[in-house]
Formats: sequence, structure tokens, C-alpha cells
Amino acid sequence: DGGITQSPKYLFRKEGQNVTLSCEQNLNHDAMYWYRQDPGQGLRLIYYSQIVNDFQKGDIAEGYSVSREKKESFPLTVTSAQKNPTAFYLCASSIKGTTGELFFGEGSRLTVL
Amino acid sequence: AQTVTQSQPEMSVQEAETVTLSCTYDTSESDYYLFWYKQPPSRQMILVIRQEAYKQQNATENRFSVNFQKAAKSFSLKISDSQLGDAAMYFCAYRSGKYAGNNRKLIWGLGTSLAVNP
Repeated sequence: DGGITQSPKYLFRKEGQNVTLSCEQNLNHDAMYWYRQDPGQGLRLIYYSQIVNDFQKGDIAEGYSVSREKKESFPLTVTSAQKNPTAFYLCASSIKGTTGELFFGEGSRLTVL
Repeated sequence: AQTVTQSQPEMSVQEAETVTLSCTYDTSESDYYLFWYKQPPSRQMILVIRQEAYKQQNATENRFSVNFQKAAKSFSLKISDSQLGDAAMYFCAYRSGKYAGNNRKLIWGLGTSLAVNP
């Protein structure tokens, strides 16, 4: 079945360590997105990419980095520069040029110890 | 800048009853899209319903329907015959009709947590 796969589902890291969250989609979607979700704050956009080898910062890109080397993959690295990385991270994709419906993965919960 | 407001942080409904979730938005654009997404306890977001601003007819999807009031900038979601599986967080979202740059971003409300009582 087509969909978006995020891994790992749960991740623990020590302060000062970088961690990479995986997002893979087999929907043949052009655009991919990373959101951060915190209680009471809804969804905030970290980075998005509309085409391979190109990506743009969202509203809260500081302390994060991404790459888009393949259409199917959009990994997110949470660097040690991110001051408060403990959160729930959601990856999504959409077809370029459509009404913008997003398809989401199941999310990754990152906890910094 | 566009904003989306969900004024009800929490709502509850009895099973089989009808509930309406509110959403208002602010925009100066005439071409845009509005969405309701559901996030169940599993936390995977799912699209519930979509409305194109140029369409006067309210969108419906089975037990879910919207009341789209363009002049009032209101986009409420009605859930009929509520089921236990409807219990979730519901998010209202806005997207500009323009394709350039950041106009492709969704603007999200803070969500309404819906409890369904048996």
C-alpha cells in the first residue's frame, strides 16, 4: 500500500547529540514537509521541499537541517543547536499543483534526556 | 498574514448526537482552500474534508459536512451521528490559492479536542 513511513517511532537522545528522523514516501508526491507538534501549539512548519535537491525553511527552521536527494526521501536532522528538541515530529507529502491535501506519516516522538 | 482560529479547545458529544466545531480565518485573498484534519490517538493526521473558496456549495463527506460562510470567514465542521471513533483532535487549516513560494504553506489552527461519550 502507498503511504508515508516515518522512523523511528520513538527516539531518545542525550543533549548535544544530533539525531536524524527518516521519512520515506511511495506515493510519487513531489512535495514533502516536516512539522513539529507541541501541546497547545498546533503544527509548525520546519522545512518543506517541492522538488528534488531543493528545499525551503519554514517557520521554525533554526536548529534543524534537511536534504532531498531522492523524490521518495526527506530526512530531518535535529542538531544540537535546537534548544528544545523534545517534540512530536510529523512528515507529510502532497502532489504539486493540487489543492494541497497533505498525506501524513505516523510521526516520530523525540525525547531529549 | 493569514490566521486560523479555533475557539473551542475541547468539545464533547454523546454517541449518535451531532456536534459542530468552529473555525474562523482571516485573509484578504479571494482564492483559497480550507481543510479539516483529524488526528486520532494514533496521532496520524487524516484529511476529513476540503472546501474550495470559489465553490458556494458546502462540502460533505458521509457524516461530515461543513458550513462555509465566506463573507463571515467561517468554516465550521458538523459531525452527524457521532461515533466513538470520531474522538480525536480536529484541526482547521487554510491554504492560499496562489502557488508561488510560501503561499503553498498550510496555516493551521490550534485544534479542538473532541470527546465522544458512550
